[in-house]
Amino acid sequence: GENVEQHPSTLSVQEGDSAVIKCTYSDSASNYFPWYKQELGKGPQLIIDIRSNVGEKKDQRIAVTLNKTAKHFSLHITETQPEDSAVYFCAAMDNQFYFGTGTSLTVIP
Amino acid sequence: GAVVSQHPSRVICKSGTSVKIECRSLDFQATTMFWYRQFPKQSLMLMATSNEGSKATYEQGVEKDKFLINHASLTLSTLTVTSAHPEDSSFYICSAEDIEFSGNTIYFGEGSWLTVV
Repeated sequence: GENVEQHPSTLSVQEGDSAVIKCTYSDSASNYFPWYKQELGKGPQLIIDIRSNVGEKKDQRIAVTLNKTAKHFSLHITETQPEDSAVYFCAAMDNQFYFGTGTSLTVIP
Repeated sequence: GAVVSQHPSRVICKSGTSVKIECRSLDFQATTMFWYRQFPKQSLMLMATSNEGSKATYEQGVEKDKFLINHASLTLSTLTVTSAHPEDSSFYICSAEDIEFSGNTIYFGEGSWLTVV
């Protein structure tokens, strides 16, 4: 089955800096790669996703890149703000849904 | 984006009683819904996959008689924790699959905190 690895597990950045979270996957059949933001005590919220026919997608300060050959995808957050502080999960999906282990992002004002 | 509503958000029950948690897709039909359990500072653990009109598929180690799942309509799935015990206290989250023209997308509910006393 699929194996999704996510790094780093914790990340601290200064407000205004960029944050990058990386995930790798093992199953070349995976074709959908969403990113979720989970705030304390709440359910995960879909923030951006990318499908296997696209290499990059951007939505304001958030972007995701996908390298199918290397089987990795990354979340990029620019101009970080304190409200970006949360746990971020990547996921890969073929017929099933597989989560990464999460990255706790802290943006320091 | 699509919305998945989960209710209740918090529930406290006595040991030995049963608790029902509802998961609704508000603006799309979901033939497939998923139930997760999350422990503090850990990732989500898939408990079962719920398919409308058929029996749920449980992950290994999850007791199907203890965690009853019903997906009676295209917009509603329920998780019932039967004969709850303190070790069942956890954060339970559902998600629903929206089948769109461009591909499938998964949306999550807000989660339900269950405390068994």
